[in-house]
Amino acid sequence: EDQVTQSPEALRLQEGESSSLNCSYTVSGLRGLFWYRQDPGKGPEFLFTLYSAGEEKEKERLKATLTKKESFLHITAPKPEDSATYLCAVYYTGTASKLTFGTGTRLQVML
Amino acid sequence: NAGVTQTPKFRILKIGQSMTLQCTQDMNHNYMYWYRQDPGMGLKLIYYSVGAGITDKGEVPNGYNVSRSTTEDFPLRLELAAPSQTSVYFCASSYSRTDTQYFGPGTRLTVL
Repeated sequence: EDQVTQSPEALRLQEGESSSLNCSYTVSGLRGLFWYRQDPGKGPEFLFTLYSAGEEKEKERLKATLTKKESFLHITAPKPEDSATYLCAVYYTGTASKLTFGTGTRLQVML
Repeated sequence: NAGVTQTPKFRILKIGQSMTLQCTQDMNHNYMYWYRQDPGMGLKLIYYSVGAGITDKGEVPNGYNVSRSTTEDFPLRLELAAPSQTSVYFCASSYSRTDTQYFGPGTRLTVL
């Protein structure tokens, strides 16, 4: 079954402690992989789109990378304001406009 | 631009009642979507539309209806509300099928 799996489910970091979030997918015919940030009580906020293996995108302390089986969201020297749930979603051939979402990683950055 | 707006923000319904969740986008996007988000689950697609007058079912359409009479608006109708429809509902829009989807702030619905 085609699916998207995110790990870990939850992550607690100290301010400045860099780490990575993982999104692995088993779909075939990947057309795009999307990262979103979601704050409590809010809608998902777009971060990055990656289209092909080897692609990387950066924004402030965040860097997203993509391989043929997974994507990583690297967080460098995180701050408390980076605390949120990070969602990964994929769009692949034959899904007729459907994004398949992972269940997210809840990140908490402590002072 | 306001982006994607949704009303209401919160609503409590009794079993068997009906309601319409409103969604409007001002980005002139062709594609619009309705998702529901339950604790511990990924966002699930309910219905989507590829343009005015054209809608199609997603993964979990039972108990819901949609219409799309204009490019801007994509209301979601709940008929005969059930406790299983307690969820947070998000509307999203995109310019094309593979383009980034932009989300609204959500409607938190409780059915008692």
